[in-house]
Amino acid sequence: EIVLTQSPGTLSLSPGERATLSCRASQSVSSNYLAWYQQKPGQAPRLLIYGASSRATGIPDRFSGSGSGTDFTLTVSRLEPEDFAVYYCQQYGSSYTFGQGTKLEIK
Amino acid sequence: EVQLVETGGGLIQPGGSLRLSCAASGLTVSRNYMSWVRQAPGKGLEWVSVIYSGGNTYFAASVKGRFTISRDNSKNTLFLEMNTLRAEDTAVYFCARVGPTSFAFDLWGQGTMVTVSS
Repeated sequence: EIVLTQSPGTLSLSPGERATLSCRASQSVSSNYLAWYQQKPGQAPRLLIYGASSRATGIPDRFSGSGSGTDFTLTVSRLEPEDFAVYYCQQYGSSYTFGQGTKLEIK
Repeated sequence: EVQLVETGGGLIQPGGSLRLSCAASGLTVSRNYMSWVRQAPGKGLEWVSVIYSGGNTYFAASVKGRFTISRDNSKNTLFLEMNTLRAEDTAVYFCARVGPTSFAFDLWGQGTMVTVSS
């Protein structure tokens, strides 16, 4: 099973700042099948990024994904108030696993 | 509007059984890969099971042998049959569609809560 480790656990930033979230896999993710999701309290997750760097439908371009192999990054270029949430990475190249999440909170 | 709606959650005693349903509108369940994901209270996301359009099914090790995934094409509904339930199965259960081009989970239901407790 591929284990995904996200860092940091909590990220405290202010609106307008840049956020960088990391996801590291225990082994190479096949075909860069790596996705990022955003989840707000009481809501279902929302797909942001798939294939490591492709934005899902309707996702603002301030969200971007990068990386390959075992190291992946989600960047939010300029934080809006609605971006403060929990973010999960997921690999779907070998079965499915999620990272433990990064909480992005307002500083 | 494309939508997934889960039902069937509730309070169940350890060792009991429960069947969750996920009714789809705006998409055909049988033509898509469909999955279940759960989230224990205050915890992260855990993949549970997937059924492919061809009918193949796969399960997380934590539920294999106890849970079954199926679908009713006439009702356009996905199911998760859960047996021998344990306290650690307590979670919100989401159904999700595997995107036909992204292969990520691009559409989610709102979830249904399952509580396993005596």
